Amino acid sequence: DTAVSQTPKYLVTQMGNDKSIKCEQNLGHDTMYWYKQDSKKFLKIMFSYNNKELIINETVPNRFSPKSPDKAHLNLHINSLELGDSAVYFCASSPTGIFMFFGPGTRLTVL
Amino acid sequence: QKEVEQDPGPLSVPEGAIVSLNCTYSNSAFQYFMWYRQYSRKGPELLMYTYSSGNKEDGRFTAQVDKSSKYISLFIRDSQPSDSATYLCAMILTGGGNKLTFGTGTQLKVEL
Repeated sequence: DTAVSQTPKYLVTQMGNDKSIKCEQNLGHDTMYWYKQDSKKFLKIMFSYNNKELIINETVPNRFSPKSPDKAHLNLHINSLELGDSAVYFCASSPTGIFMFFGPGTRLTVL
Repeated sequence: QKEVEQDPGPLSVPEGAIVSLNCTYSNSAFQYFMWYRQYSRKGPELLMYTYSSGNKEDGRFTAQVDKSSKYISLFIRDSQPSDSATYLCAMILTGGGNKLTFGTGTQLKVEL
């Protein structure tokens, strides 16, 4: 009965590789988000989708490409991974765009 | 200067203490003010929210917003070891995609 789920939970990869993180929510929310949390716990929005349409695209390198196949799913694909991409990536969903329900996070380590 | 500033801590208190966590912000247009709690290796979860200025109480937790000073606080009474977590303040401008802006979080440890 998980509300917002993400896979994988941990991802360790080499610099230059391409990887994807998947997110699914079963709350029936229209809006989904990707957030990045750095090593100092600072949480910053990356993207937001409302019913499969991109509505927020923060200053994020083009190597990051979100994709929403339907309103319950939001995936994040990262090309040519760099050391600085190491962080915890959180998916979230919201019914109103105000209160966020976060997933458990994907801890990405780039070696 | 970040839009939302928060003391990073860590803050260590004995069980039963009253804890005060604070954030200041620069954008007077923020409308909703929230506190999220994040346990180690977990996602943040919404703890409390207030709209505009004022106080809100929920059990041992009280959220306070002073828009004139651009200052928000979270008070925890009778703190418990289970309150040990990182507390993140967050605030939002509604409209234009509703971007939630977080503080950097305060790490709290409540010791027996």
